[in-house]
Amino acid sequence: GAVVSQHPSWVICKSGTSVKIECRSLDFQATTMFWYRQFPKQSLMLMATSNEGSKATYEQGVEKDKFLINHASLTLSTLTVTSAHPEDSSFYICSARVTGSTDTQYFGPGTRLTVL
Amino acid sequence: DQQVKQNSPSLSVQEGRISILNCDYTNSMFDYFLWYKKYPAEGPTFLISISSIKDKNEDGRFTVFLNKSAKHLSLHIVPSQPGDSAVYFCAAASGGSNYKLTFGKGTLLTVNP
Repeated sequence: GAVVSQHPSWVICKSGTSVKIECRSLDFQATTMFWYRQFPKQSLMLMATSNEGSKATYEQGVEKDKFLINHASLTLSTLTVTSAHPEDSSFYICSARVTGSTDTQYFGPGTRLTVL
Repeated sequence: DQQVKQNSPSLSVQEGRISILNCDYTNSMFDYFLWYKKYPAEGPTFLISISSIKDKNEDGRFTVFLNKSAKHLSLHIVPSQPGDSAVYFCAAASGGSNYKLTFGKGTLLTVNP
């Protein structure tokens, strides 16, 4: 149980284009999902908290107009990187917390974004 | 200012021996701690957690110890297996509706056959 999927697993795009990444909880409902970014040999940095049916909460320094988050259902959250630039190239990982359960977050497999 | 610190970037252990991964934290508001295992280009996999009301939690070969006064926790893996080779992240959370996790930088564990 507690499986989280991400799609796509990797994407290469041109600078200036937008990329959408999906995060799905496959066998549980997740009121809250989280989006992280990891640069090589660095820790996972929380970007934003996605709440079903409401606006996402962004961490300090993360541009909400650049990283659009939509959590339309209890099993799906999307992250759209708008007008991507090479510095946005990173490993993006989502996680989901089982609604009404403990603090444990279950992570997706991640999406490798490369912006040319 | 890093609130969760894993001061050893790497650790090498012989198969069958004990692996001890350490983690220190500075925020006294943290009340829940987790260990995740991560392979390259994959998302982290939850291993084990501990609440601040406990000082030990055991699950099979994995045991987490928490020393609140020292703001220190450790993950013990015994016996270590080559398949345990991965990066291990320590994470901490404080109470609240969202339970945001703060991660350490990770420790690369290599278990040699």
